[in-house]
Amino acid sequence: QVQLVESGGGVVQPGRSLRLSCAASGFTFSSYAIHWVRQAPGKGLEWVAIISYDGSNKYYAGSVKGRFTISRDNSKNTLYLQMNSLRTEDTAVYYCARVIANTAMAIYYFDYWGQGTLVTVSS
Amino acid sequence: SSELTQDPVVSVALRQTVRITCQGDSLRGYYASWYQQKPGQAPLLVIYGNNNRPSGIPDRFSGSISGDTASLTITGAQAEDEADYYCSSRDSSGNHFVFGSGTKVTVL
Repeated sequence: QVQLVESGGGVVQPGRSLRLSCAASGFTFSSYAIHWVRQAPGKGLEWVAIISYDGSNKYYAGSVKGRFTISRDNSKNTLYLQMNSLRTEDTAVYYCARVIANTAMAIYYFDYWGQGTLVTVSS
Repeated sequence: SSELTQDPVVSVALRQTVRITCQGDSLRGYYASWYQQKPGQAPLLVIYGNNNRPSGIPDRFSGSISGDTASLTITGAQAEDEADYYCSSRDSSGNHFVFGSGTKVTVL
């Protein structure tokens, strides 16, 4: 069955860095674009970034652009999120999610999500 | 970037019908998808595209679109449907994605 398992969260001071991982199994990882989505405590979902199936295209939310880098290693079935210059407002549970895209029909949706990993940015 | 607007809180009596709306310019070009989230859990896809339900999602969940507003309807709400619901779509720019602000559904 499809599984996405995030890891790498923890407590970090403002201005420092952290790298999250998302290990995928149960499907052909290299065939799917994958996203990072975050949720601050008590708040709603916020889209963070997307990487195409082969890693050639990457897009970021304005709130993280220039500080976060999404990448993937298809040989290891793993997605990454390198987070630099962390701010207190980056405190959130970070989810990786697989996206299904039907471009012709303009249908896009996240069909599988990981359980999330908590990142706390605090001094 | 685009925004998707949802009512913050909606209440429904047990076994009655409730409709949750999601309004945004991006919905004129892209279908919405809907996610249910219960406390401490990851979001769960409940509706995508033109009223499609993933396997395992009860048929009391349905979706529709009219202009720039997408709707999620729960017909015959059950106690277990009490949760936060989020809509999402591709952004009008085409390269980003956006989530609605979320609707907390309370089943009375």
